[in-house]
Amino acid sequence: AQSVTQLDSQVPVFEEAPVELRCNYSSSVSVYLFWYVQYPNQGLQLLLKYLSGSTLVKGINGFEAEFNKSQTSFHLRKPSVHISDTAEYFCAVMPRLNQGAQKLVFGQGTRLTINP
Amino acid sequence: DVKVTQSSRYLVKRTGEKVFLECVQDMDHENMFWYRQDPGLGLRLIYFSYDVKMKEKGDIPEGYSVSREKKERFSLILESASTNQTSMYLCASSTPSSYNSPLHFGNGTRLTVT
Repeated sequence: AQSVTQLDSQVPVFEEAPVELRCNYSSSVSVYLFWYVQYPNQGLQLLLKYLSGSTLVKGINGFEAEFNKSQTSFHLRKPSVHISDTAEYFCAVMPRLNQGAQKLVFGQGTRLTINP
Repeated sequence: DVKVTQSSRYLVKRTGEKVFLECVQDMDHENMFWYRQDPGLGLRLIYFSYDVKMKEKGDIPEGYSVSREKKERFSLILESASTNQTSMYLCASSTPSSYNSPLHFGNGTRLTVT
């Protein structure tokens, strides 16, 4: 079984400041890792994913995340945030399986609020 | 463009009513999912389906059932709605090997049971 822990439920930052949203996971099998974003009154959109290869992955809107296997972490970062980044962010894992429906396991979410 | 449509944005139902939440996708995806989203709990999987007429329980299936008679449509059914089923419900779809963008989500249905 898999579990995902997002260490901060809310993160307030000022505009143009850097931000890091933390994510740790637990799994008995290898996993793929994802970050999704949910803007107000919308569904979730994929920000970025780690499948294999380089541990630093870049996504949309200037976000990036680093996979750390030894610490089982996948923290999300952005060097300079904008008001439009205000949203809820979800970390998720998916077991590496050869067949069947891939099921994502989500963290609890982190609400990022950007203040002017 | 990819589209997952949930028929209602807001629903208000009474305790004991039978409730249907509908989801339609236009991408010919094999897999479809129903999640519920609650503050502090993230998204939890209720049911999923990997083919027409096939279904499997997720992590919290109690009190819910599903129906998939056609590939593009996946319905979530609350047989007898209860107040603890007040939540945001999200439908999603995917192809079996689509690791590029594993899930495409609808905008959600916010259900209130009074």
